[in-house]
Amino acid sequence: AQKVTQAQTEISVVEKEDVTLDCVYETRDTTYYLFWYKQPPSGELVFLIRRNSFDEQNEISGRYSWNFQKSTSSFNFTITASQVVDSAVYFCALSGLGETSGSRLTFGEGTQLTVNP
Amino acid sequence: EAGVVQSPRYKIIEKKQPVAFWCNPISGHNTLYWYLQNLGQGPELLIRYENEEAVDDSQLPKDRFSAERLKGVDSTLKIQPAELGDSAVYLCASSDSGGGDTQYFGPGTRLTVL
Repeated sequence: AQKVTQAQTEISVVEKEDVTLDCVYETRDTTYYLFWYKQPPSGELVFLIRRNSFDEQNEISGRYSWNFQKSTSSFNFTITASQVVDSAVYFCALSGLGETSGSRLTFGEGTQLTVNP
Repeated sequence: EAGVVQSPRYKIIEKKQPVAFWCNPISGHNTLYWYLQNLGQGPELLIRYENEEAVDDSQLPKDRFSAERLKGVDSTLKIQPAELGDSAVYLCASSDSGGGDTQYFGPGTRLTVL
């Protein structure tokens, strides 16, 4: 079985602060993919990033960056200089390719980020 | 390129009534998913299609839920009869194929059962 844990239920910051959203995962598969999605108040899940288990390079996209550490089974997401428009629920998700996981995408419980002006 | 389309966006019904949700995936995407999202939780997979074949329906409550994807494109998810506990958001997603490909989600249908 696979599992994703997002220990931070809610985070509140002031605009321009940096914020890191934590994600810890469990899987028995050797090949897997990790994802982050954003769910704004409108409700639609917006894809942000996909990483495979063999690529531990950190990635930066504008104000967003992701830190993948296989040794600690973590895939953390940092927003630099946060903006009010970043307010949303953020989900970390895992898709294993083993027989038991069956390519199923497993989501964490989500972290509600509120950026105050 | 058009994204995943779902309708209706909102549906309010009384318990024991039937309800159906429709999904049109991104053009060319072979894999289609239906998810259930309860308030304050992450989405949970109900069923996954590869073309017209349901390859993972282990979490679909088959006593009242059914789904179809007859021509391998559009899909319909049905609940009959609906119960109070079915109130949730039903999300449809599609991907180029299964196996870890990125899933793109539609806006969802928010179902309220009274």
